[in-house]
Amino acid sequence: EVQLVESGGGLVQPGRSLRLSCAGSGFTFDENAMHWVRQVPGKGLEWVAGILWHGWIGYADSVRGRFIISRDNVKNSLYLQMNSLRPEDTALYYCGKDMRPGDLYSWGQGTLVTVSS
Amino acid sequence: DAVMTQSPLSLPVTLGQPASISCRSSQSLVYSDGNTYLNWFHQRPGQSPRHLIYEVSKRDSGVPDRFSGSGSGTDFTLRISRVEAEDVGVYFCMQGTHWPYTFGQGTKLEIK
Repeated sequence: EVQLVESGGGLVQPGRSLRLSCAGSGFTFDENAMHWVRQVPGKGLEWVAGILWHGWIGYADSVRGRFIISRDNVKNSLYLQMNSLRPEDTALYYCGKDMRPGDLYSWGQGTLVTVSS
Repeated sequence: DAVMTQSPLSLPVTLGQPASISCRSSQSLVYSDGNTYLNWFHQRPGQSPRHLIYEVSKRDSGVPDRFSGSGSGTDFTLRISRVEAEDVGVYFCMQGTHWPYTFGQGTKLEIK
């Protein structure tokens, strides 16, 4: 069974940094594209960043230059280094993996990030 | 970026009746390999999104056949042939053709 477990969320002041982690199990980690998607509670979904199995990376305009996505295929883990955090980055952050090109088949339960002074 | 526009945003439906959700993209979602990476998700309150349909019309394993997807290019539709109580929640379309991936705003389906 595929499992994705996010961690690292919490309350952080504006301008500070936070690093999210996502531990994957039940699948061959290095064969899949992995993504971060966020959702303000009660609102819509926003794709944040993605990293393909071979390391190609993409970011949403709203986080480019501030967030860094990375993966460790040995540890079966995905990361999101979030710098220069803003109140508008407050959201539930989901880790997701594809099953086929262009989809987001499996999702974790999310980790909540709150940016506030 | 490909802007995804869903309609309606709210969809009250009587149990057993059909429902339809539209998703339009600001640009063609046909990829260079000829495939169209348009997905549909269902999210119940307090839960993570569940993937329903990929490549416009292909249902994931375990998704009831009352769900169907159709469309091409920039216009897509999710249909539920007979709405059941468990179908309530928010439905999102998402394109995976262009980076960044982008989602529609969501359509909230409720029972009348």
